Amino acid sequence: QQQVRQSSQSLTVWEGETAILNCSYENSAFDYFPWYQQFPGEGPALLIAIRSVSDKKEDGRFTIFFNKREKNLSLHIKDSQPGDSATYFCAATLSSGSWQLIFGSGTQLTVMP
Amino acid sequence: NAGVIQTPRHKVTGKGQEATLWCEPISGHSAVFWYRQTIVQGLEFLTYFRNQAPIDDSGMPKERFSAQMPNQSHSTLKIQSTQPQDSAVYLCASSPPSSERLFFGHGTKLSVL
Repeated sequence: QQQVRQSSQSLTVWEGETAILNCSYENSAFDYFPWYQQFPGEGPALLIAIRSVSDKKEDGRFTIFFNKREKNLSLHIKDSQPGDSATYFCAATLSSGSWQLIFGSGTQLTVMP
Repeated sequence: NAGVIQTPRHKVTGKGQEATLWCEPISGHSAVFWYRQTIVQGLEFLTYFRNQAPIDDSGMPKERFSAQMPNQSHSTLKIQSTQPQDSAVYLCASSPPSSERLFFGHGTKLSVL
């Protein structure tokens, strides 16, 4: 059973739209939730992260909305650009534990110009 | 800062041969992680070291896979008797002290023929 689930394998939006990527998790003890962005041929890179004590984290065009009760979160990318086309991984960990990040299967985002 | 350096970028081995993958973490980072990435399984945790000591190897296949960190400037992942199912991108990441943030290398793409 996947501990971190991303509901969409792929998502296509038009330039300027808001892309919404969804994620859910199983372990209610998880308390740190990063989103990583990966371009072809590169390793994933941290985009934005939230801790379970918060319900929203914003960084420029990127916002995480977090619902602890429902055990889900979403990444909103406002004013999407073709350069945002990449694979986005939701991840989770227990920061007081071994810090092993559990990754979702990823959502491939395509932003059409 | 060159980031996490992984060598080689690509490795092709015949079935049954040994493969050794190298990782040079970012200077000053205290933790090193190994992940395996495939289309089917996504990003799978393999093992991690903190201050050169092995902390968690729960993701390592018990046979044929081993990892070492002989000094703070490099880690190796060795796969003995490689099988076609070992074909994947092997990603190394390092993390600064007291941080959950992972900095990934570009990965080593292993192809077992």
